[in-house]
Parts: sequence; C-alpha cells; structure tokens
Amino acid sequence: DAKTTQPNSMESNEEEPVHLPCNHSTISGTDYIHWYRQLPSQGPEYVIHGLTSNVNNRMASLAIAEDRKSSTLILHRATLRDAAVYYCILRASGTYKYIFGTGTRLKVLA
Amino acid sequence: DTEVTQTPKHLVMGMTNKKSLKCEQHMGHRAMYWYKQKAKKPPELMFVYSYEKLSINESVPSRFSPECPNSSLLNLHLHALQPEDSALYLCASSQETPVSFYEQYFGPGTRLTVT
Repeated sequence: DAKTTQPNSMESNEEEPVHLPCNHSTISGTDYIHWYRQLPSQGPEYVIHGLTSNVNNRMASLAIAEDRKSSTLILHRATLRDAAVYYCILRASGTYKYIFGTGTRLKVLA
Repeated sequence: DTEVTQTPKHLVMGMTNKKSLKCEQHMGHRAMYWYKQKAKKPPELMFVYSYEKLSINESVPSRFSPECPNSSLLNLHLHALQPEDSALYLCASSQETPVSFYEQYFGPGTRLTVT
C-alpha cells in the first residue's frame, strides 16, 4: 500500500508562508496526491490534489517532486484560521480505498 | 448546498444500549461513507455505500450495522459497543464510486462515548 510520512506538527507565524511536506516513496505512477485539512471540531475538507505537475488553487499550492516520491503543500500566507491538521492522502494500491497519512498539526502564531 | 449533516453531535451510550447515528446529504451524491476517527489519529474507512448498496466493509465488527434507506440518508446502527469504540464517527459523500478522493464531502461528525 502507498504509505505517507508527515511531520507530527509545525508552527508558522501569521502572514508568513508555510511548507508542509509529505513523503510517499511507494506511490504508483497513476495515483493522485490529495491534501485535506481538518479544522478543530470539524470534518476534513478538501484543500488540493495533483498528479505530476505543480497545482495552484485559491487555498494553496501543491509542489510535487519530479520523481513523485514527495510533495509539499504550500500555504502562501498563513492565517489563524489555517490552524488545523493537514492530511496527505493516497490510494491503497489495487483498491478504491484512500488512506489518510498521520497528519501534520499546524499551529499559527499571531 | 455542499453540506453533509450528522446527528446527533454527541452521544453517550452504555454497552448494552442500542443507538443510531444519522447522516444526510442533498447534493445528489450516490456514494456515502462512514469513517471512524480516534483521538489524535487520522480517519479510518469503515463502510462505503454506492447506489444504496454496501460496496465496501472494512472488516468492521458486526456491532456496527450500516444502513442506506435512500440515496440521501445513511445510518449507522450501534449495539453492544465496547468502550474502545468511543471515537468521532464521520460521514462523507461523493458523486459516485470509484471516484477521485477530492470529491468527498465530510460531515462534522458524531462524537460517541461508550460507558
């Protein structure tokens, strides 16, 4: 199964960029990398996803390594509302089941 | 409306009780999911319904019994639970399965405590 590795926690100052890494060295060539986040007392919500090239949306950017063994979620200007657990998610090979990584708890300092 | 609602928000039940969790969506999604999330852990998939039929059961104990009465509703019936079943139970929906994960919408969850 594709397995992800994420740091347990990270801190950032408000209004500064945040880079959240995810290692997925066993990813298959056709699997998308998904990022969701879970705000306190809420269910997970979609942030971004990508396959090979870098992706941007209104929430974040996703930088994917050329060998696809790692990716980085980039929040360009962290706000207090971005404090959450960020999950990197991959599909279990041969199934349609998606496995959440252990997640990175992001703390944003005012 | 991209909302998935779950009731109740909190539930405390004894090990001999029978209770049910309810999930509802009105996005016209045909796939619905139950996840279990223990404290400080990621969500883990329990069940998947596709077009109101159970398509995935992740070897969940029979004390958890899912039901999908129609395309908008998903229930999780609980009976003879153990204290270790205490967790946040999340419901999600997506347009169809198999589907790219990014299309899943999650509810806020029901926090279950088994005493």
